[in-house]
Amino acid sequence: KAGVTQTPRYLIKTRGQQVTLSCSPISGHRSVSWYQQTPGQGLQFLFEYFSETQRNKGNFPGRFSGRQFSNSRSEMNVSTLELGDSALYLCASNSGGAKNIQYFGAGTRLSVL
Amino acid sequence: AQSVTQPDIHITVSEGASLELRCNYSYGATPYLFWYVQSPGQGLQLLLKYFSGDTLVQGIKGFEAEFKRSQSSFNLRKPSVHWSDAAEYFCAVGPITGANNLFFGTGTRLTVIP
Repeated sequence: KAGVTQTPRYLIKTRGQQVTLSCSPISGHRSVSWYQQTPGQGLQFLFEYFSETQRNKGNFPGRFSGRQFSNSRSEMNVSTLELGDSALYLCASNSGGAKNIQYFGAGTRLSVL
Repeated sequence: AQSVTQPDIHITVSEGASLELRCNYSYGATPYLFWYVQSPGQGLQLLLKYFSGDTLVQGIKGFEAEFKRSQSSFNLRKPSVHWSDAAEYFCAVGPITGANNLFFGTGTRLTVIP
């Protein structure tokens, strides 16, 4: 069974640009969660998508958005990039059910110059 | 409010020595508890999880953790550390209902010396 696939692995952007990150969850998993990891703030929850609907959202500005497609693949978008958006963005595939387990991808490393 | 505390930022142990990484949580009820490991530049790999039942849980790579309700702790242990265990370790708590998001501790970086 394939794991969680995140693309691209690395991105370099400049301030003001926008970026789109992609995540393909484990086959059969219908929910995806996104996290931002930085040295200063650690791992912070961004949002969760289930069946193409955002079900849960963390405390991030509206510049951070996402979506999910009918095949459960998810994208997150960051508009008007700021230097502080430089981070490792991790996608988690949720097994679902009451005893949910999150399986993480390798992440996308975003550098904003 | 839920929170996770990993009091040790960095731990150094000798190869072959035993290891214990501390984790304390604050949560309104008994949460679901997890330990993940992250190698440099990589994502998070699940080591073990606790949902209910036996308070001593076994995980992959020879790790185990013990849930102690009275101490709000979920410490990770390994009897004999290998050089390949050098990585960052994260404790996390998850809600028992509703949302699929985890609250993570700040992590403990493990260095293994020969």
